[in-house]
Amino acid sequence: SQQGEEDPQALSIQEGENATMNCSYKTSINNLQWYRQNSGRGLVHLILIRSNEREKHSGRLRVTLDTSKKSSSLLITASRAADTASYFCATPSGTYKYIFGTGTRLKVLA
Amino acid sequence: GAVVSQHPSRVICKSGTSVKIECRSLDFQATTMFWYRQFPKQSLMLMATSNEGSKATYEQGVEKDKFLINHASLTLSTLTVTSAHPEDSSFYICSAYPGTGDDEAFFGQGTRLTVV
Repeated sequence: SQQGEEDPQALSIQEGENATMNCSYKTSINNLQWYRQNSGRGLVHLILIRSNEREKHSGRLRVTLDTSKKSSSLLITASRAADTASYFCATPSGTYKYIFGTGTRLKVLA
Repeated sequence: GAVVSQHPSRVICKSGTSVKIECRSLDFQATTMFWYRQFPKQSLMLMATSNEGSKATYEQGVEKDKFLINHASLTLSTLTVTSAHPEDSSFYICSAYPGTGDDEAFFGQGTRLTVV
């Protein structure tokens, strides 16, 4: 399977703490994307990082990409209860076709 | 961002019946759409690539006669689950690309299918 793997599978933290989740993938890529999914809902695009970028920020989100290790991380700083969701990385597998990682279920406790 | 609408959001059907799920790009044209399936607490698994005006491309292990895909226009793709069985119960999500050069995909809200 080409599916990427994320760790941890589940993460539970207190509000205000930082949450870090990691994604490893198998093939060479030109970009990697992170998505959030609230329970039973569709996906929300968070951030896209290209292969020539090492780090990217968007609000409280920080994404890193290490193409030599085929890995990426998503850091959510100062987490809030509303950040409780599943987070998925997605890597391209052909034109506009993406493969999703196994996901990290984040729970932020108020 | 671009909007993709998926309908219905929830559907319950009896075993043996067929169910049609629609995926519409509301403010852009999409020559390519994708259908995913998600089991509880699991990731999204790509089922097929829907190509406007041509046959869909199915991923390995996905029965094309069971999951019929039609992409009749640049803004609409449909997934029909034929002769549904309880094991087809799942969350189905579509995605579409505006083709503007960016690689961001836009996803529908998903459809929760329950076969009883």
